[in-house]
Amino acid sequence: QVQLQESGPGLAKPSETLSLTCAVSGYSISSGFYWGWIRQPPGKGLEWIGSIYYNEDAYYNPSLKSRVTISVDTSTNQLSLNLTSVTAADTAIYFCARQQGGRIVSNFDYWGQGTLVTVSS
Amino acid sequence: DIQMTQSPSSVSASVGDRVTITCRASLGIRSWLAWYQQKPGKAPKLLIYGASSLQSGVPSRFSGSGSGTEFTLTISSLQPEDFATYFCQQSNSFPITFGQGTRLEIK
Repeated sequence: QVQLQESGPGLAKPSETLSLTCAVSGYSISSGFYWGWIRQPPGKGLEWIGSIYYNEDAYYNPSLKSRVTISVDTSTNQLSLNLTSVTAADTAIYFCARQQGGRIVSNFDYWGQGTLVTVSS
Repeated sequence: DIQMTQSPSSVSASVGDRVTITCRASLGIRSWLAWYQQKPGKAPKLLIYGASSLQSGVPSRFSGSGSGTEFTLTISSLQPEDFATYFCQQSNSFPITFGQGTRLEIK
């Protein structure tokens, strides 16, 4: 059974960098599939942040591209998210998820439970 | 970006009712549409992919249809555990986009 678990600081200060990790178990990232990050401001809708393949082939939402970096570590079976220069608008629950099938653009079949990050001084 | 618009934004229904939620895409997305169910404090759960394919383990009372720009999610006979928020998502092209959600409430 594929399982994903996000972790990282629950609080970030404005202008700082938000860094999160997603640990994957039950499946080896290097075996394939794209893996993504999605966020959800409390009580609002879902926003795709970006996706990555095990070979570091990454795609980002243009709305966030200048501030986002997603990476993978196949040795630890983890993916990471860095979001720079955060503001209150980046306050959200951050999810990592696996993309179904082999397409670069796809839906998400396995999700982590999400981690709330609040941006506040 | 392809905009995804769901209607209604919220709906009240009773156990046993048949409910239909609509999702419209601003451009044609063929059948690259998924539906998710989200309960409070939980991650979204994939219900339907490819517009009409039922994800493994999802009850058959859920069904999806449509292609191009208009899609529907139907719950044939509402069960107590179905009261949740539902989102559509297009996977035709980058950036991946979601609908704003439809909240299904108990009448």
